[in-house]
Amino acid sequence: KAGVTQTPRYLIKTRGQQVTLSCSPISGHRSVSWYQQTPGQGLQFLFEYFSETQRNKGNFPGRFSGRQFSNSRSEMNVSTLELGDSALYLCASGTRGTGATDTQYFGPGTRLTVL
Amino acid sequence: GEDVEQSLFLSVREGDSSVINCTYTDSSSTYLYWYKQEPGAGLQLLTYIFSNMDMKQDQRLTVLLNKKDKHLSLRIADTQTGDSAIYFCAESIRGFQKLVFGTGTRLLVSP
Repeated sequence: KAGVTQTPRYLIKTRGQQVTLSCSPISGHRSVSWYQQTPGQGLQFLFEYFSETQRNKGNFPGRFSGRQFSNSRSEMNVSTLELGDSALYLCASGTRGTGATDTQYFGPGTRLTVL
Repeated sequence: GEDVEQSLFLSVREGDSSVINCTYTDSSSTYLYWYKQEPGAGLQLLTYIFSNMDMKQDQRLTVLLNKKDKHLSLRIADTQTGDSAIYFCAESIRGFQKLVFGTGTRLLVSP
């Protein structure tokens, strides 16, 4: 079974621009979560989608948004980029859809650099 | 509250055992996880333990959970240089598809 894939792997943008990152979960997985990893803040939860609905959201500004498609693929968007948005963005997929926690498998991440 | 703490660094010699420790605060955690991250890579799930278990063994990995003290540890037997990486513990938050991660422990294995 193929793992979680994320595209692109690397991205360079300038302040004020917007960016869209993509994540394809493991086949059969319907839950997709996004995390931001920075040296200063560590790994922080952004949001989680299941069946095209956002179920949980972390403590991030509204510039961070996401969506999930009917095939479970997910995208996250960051508008009006700031230098502090430079990070590794990780996507994780899971199986359970009841709201109970299940095991999450991570993709390789997208490294975003904001200049 | 949600807070997970780990020591930042551990150095061992090849062939020794490594023990990485973690403390968490949320008593409603259902699962606790250990992930490994190598340079430039994502997170690799190593193992996990359900909150009503005390111990889980998986080949070279042994997880111990002390729920009373909210303490989790990962023991790696016969540590190899390929085990050098950052290890994260994470707790799941009951009812939420969300993980709260520790700061990560950098394990350095020298020959």
